[in-house]
Formats: sequence, structure tokens, C-alpha cells
Amino acid sequence: QQQVKQSPQSLIVQKGGISIINCAYENTAFDYFPWYQQFPGKGPALLIAIRPDVSEKKEGRFTISFNKSAKQFSLHIMDSQPGDSATYFCAAEGGANNLFFGTGTRLTVIP
Amino acid sequence: EPEVTQTPSHQVTQMGQEVILRCVPISNHLYFYWYRQILGQKVEFLVSFYNNEISEKSEIFDDQFSVERPDGSNFTLKIRSTKLEDSAMYFCASSAGVARGNQPQHFGDGTRLSIL
Repeated sequence: QQQVKQSPQSLIVQKGGISIINCAYENTAFDYFPWYQQFPGKGPALLIAIRPDVSEKKEGRFTISFNKSAKQFSLHIMDSQPGDSATYFCAAEGGANNLFFGTGTRLTVIP
Repeated sequence: EPEVTQTPSHQVTQMGQEVILRCVPISNHLYFYWYRQILGQKVEFLVSFYNNEISEKSEIFDDQFSVERPDGSNFTLKIRSTKLEDSAMYFCASSAGVARGNQPQHFGDGTRLSIL
């Protein structure tokens, strides 16, 4: 059972462009939605997170948009840079304090 | 910045052998987790540990797996009799509290387990 669905699987963006990664969840008990960034050979690192009582959260160039009725949330990376090239995972947590991860999006930002 | 450390970075083991993966969580954290990531796939939850006992485990965490906090700093994952399908990257994570209380999980860099 895939609790969190993520798309696209891979994404290529020009430097300075906007990267958009989408996720959808099924379990309405989820109440915390983090995004993790993972570089090769490293563990996932928390990038930004949101709770369902807000529709948007922005931290620097990174913004989460959250649509509770549609059970969808997305990550927007503004002014994408080559250093942003990594794999991005959305996740969801609720109740049991364990994270359910999406399948990941490999982002490549080309100069 | 404090970080979660895992050892070894790469473990190669014969099928059927026991393996212990080690983690040192962030020192003031109270919740500990193991996740695994099969090559090219998503990160999957295995087990969470709080107050010296398992608080949650997934279907993957069967009787072949066990966790232990043998002292005040280490957190270990043991696989008793490894199978080929146990080959994966294993991540340890820790948190000061529950994530939705603004206490996110911090991950180590993982141990790559290769079963031959």
C-alpha cells in the first residue's frame, strides 16, 4: 500500500527556473508533512515541513503548498541552482511517529 | 551541529550470518528509528524506539530483526540470519520528540549492507 505518492520521478530544470515536485497522500490521520533532501552517499536531511492547519510555508527559496481537501502538497524551489541537484522525498507522519516516504524525485539543475 | 553517526559505512556479509549495525543518535534525543532504502527505491520505516522499548514497527521488521540501546549512547539494529533481500542502505534517525511537535527526525548517512 503506497501511502504517499510522489511525482515526477525525475526533473530537469534550467538554472534560475522553478522546480515543482508533487505529492499526494491517502491517510487523513497524517498531520505532519516534511520534505527531505538527499545527496548521493548521504542520509535524508530535513528541508522544510508543514502541518495541515496552514496552506503554505516558505523558507528562503523553498515553499510548500498544501491542499488539505485534495490531500496533496507540493514543493516549489524558486531560482533553482545547480547545488540544488539532489533527490527530494516528501513524507507524511501521523499518530505513530514514523515517516512514510514518497518514492523520490531526482532533480537536476543545469547551468 | 550535532549529527547522527552510523558505523560501519559499508558492511559486507555472507547470507545467513548475523550482522549488527550501529548508530550514535544525537545526545539529547529520546526517540530512535531505523529505516532502510533498497537501491533506487524509497526510504521505508522499520522500527521506532522510545523509553527502552519498541513503540512501532513495520511489517518488514520481522523476527529476524531486533533493536537495542545497550548503553546511553548507542542504538543498534541486529539482523539474525541475513537474506539476499536484506541488501539495502540502512538509516538510523533520532528526534527530541514527536515530529508534529516541531521535533523533526535527523538522519545519519547510513550503512550500506551487502549480502553475498
